[in-house]
Amino acid sequence: GDSVTQMEGPVTLSEEAFLTINCTYTATGYPSLFWYVQYPGEGLQLLLKATKADDKGSNKGFEATYRKETTSFHLEKGSVQVSDSAVYFCALNTGRRALTFGSGTRLQVE
Amino acid sequence: DVKVTQSSRYLVKRTGEKVFLECVQDMDHENMFWYRQDPGLGLRLIYFSYDVKMKEKGDIPEGYSVSREKKERFSLILESASTNQTSMYLCASSSGGTGPYYGYTFGSGTRLTVV
Repeated sequence: GDSVTQMEGPVTLSEEAFLTINCTYTATGYPSLFWYVQYPGEGLQLLLKATKADDKGSNKGFEATYRKETTSFHLEKGSVQVSDSAVYFCALNTGRRALTFGSGTRLQVE
Repeated sequence: DVKVTQSSRYLVKRTGEKVFLECVQDMDHENMFWYRQDPGLGLRLIYFSYDVKMKEKGDIPEGYSVSREKKERFSLILESASTNQTSMYLCASSSGGTGPYYGYTFGSGTRLTVV
C-alpha cells in the first residue's frame, strides 16, 4: 500500500538557519504530494502541494520539488523564523479520496 | 472564512461510555474524514464518507462507528470508550472527485481523554 516516511524529529535550528525536512514515499501510480503544517494547539493547514513530477510547490518561503526518480518531496526553507516552529506532515494521494500521512516532524526554532 | 468546526476542544470520558464527536463543515464538501493523531504515529485514518449516508472504513476502524445524515455533518462514535482511545481526533473535509487532489481543510481537533 501507499506509505510516507519522514525524518524523525525534533529538528532544532537557530533563527535564519537553512531547513530541510526529508520525505520519501511509496505509492502505486502517480501520487499528488503535499506538505501540511500544524501549529501548537491547532489543526493541520495545507502548506504546499505538487501534482506531477518535477513540479515545485511553494508558499511562505517554503519549497518542495516532486522528484519521481528518487520518490522524494523534501521540504526546504532558506531562513527559518521562530514563528515556523510547528509540526510538519508530508502526505500523498493516488486518486483515492483519503490522504496518506507521514508521522510528522517537529521543528523548533530558537 | 470557510471552516471545519469540531464541537469540543477537550473531552474527558469514563471507560465504557458511549462518546460522540461532532464535526460540521460549511463548504458544501462531499468528502469528510476522521483521523486520530498520536505521537510518533502521525495521522491514521479511522473512517471517511464521500456522500450522505455513505461511509468507508479507514486503516483503524475497530471500536469506532460513524454517521453522516446530512452533507455538512460527520459524527464519530466510540461505542464503548477505552483508555487506548485516548488521543487527538481530527476531522477534515474536501471537495469531491478522484483526480489530482487539492487537499483537506481540517478542524482544530478534539483531545479526548478516557479515564
